[in-house]
Amino acid sequence: EAQVTQNPRYLITVTGKKLTVTCSQNMNHEYMSWYRQDPGLGLRQIYYSMNVEVTDKGDVPEGYKVSRKEKRNFPLILESPSPNQTSLYFCASSLKGHGANVLTFGAGSRLTVL
Amino acid sequence: GENVEQHPSTLSVQEGDSAVIKCTYSDSASNYFPWYKQELGKRPQLIIDIRSNVGEKKDQRIAVTLNKTAKHFSLHITETQPEDSAVYFCAASISNSGYALNFGKGTSLLVTP
Repeated sequence: EAQVTQNPRYLITVTGKKLTVTCSQNMNHEYMSWYRQDPGLGLRQIYYSMNVEVTDKGDVPEGYKVSRKEKRNFPLILESPSPNQTSLYFCASSLKGHGANVLTFGAGSRLTVL
Repeated sequence: GENVEQHPSTLSVQEGDSAVIKCTYSDSASNYFPWYKQELGKRPQLIIDIRSNVGEKKDQRIAVTLNKTAKHFSLHITETQPEDSAVYFCAASISNSGYALNFGKGTSLLVTP
């Protein structure tokens, strides 16, 4: 089944404790992206990747890192989480070229930073 | 960069009525306009999209219209049903640049029986 898989789905952590949210897709998509969703603010892009070893900042990159060492994986790293990073995170992927922009989203990862 | 504004932020309709959600965008180069539906506790999913070479697209009870001159596009849902209750997001981008999809803030639609 074609899908985007995120882990963990739920996480409660404390300020300053490094964490990684993994994202994997099995559709051979070139584009991958991370969004955070907060009430009243919609979906805001954190980072995106156009292909392996190519990453770029979105609208709200502060406090986050990403890497794209393999086409299928795009982990989101919070080096020193803070309470303002409490949010619902979505990973998404899409094809390049014709058919691009049709995002397939993961199920979401709800992160709470105490 | 592209700025997408979406209205209203909440919308309540009675079952069977129509619902209309409107979005405006700022970048005249944008040529791809999708709509995503997010049910409670679920992930956003594409329900319909339109490209700038057409003015309207329909899929059963949903339709999207685009006015490129005015830089606005709308989602129309007819004969609403309770299962249409969800948050709807519009977005705009330049085609074939999947990374640059700019979303509106969302509209929470409630369809009451």
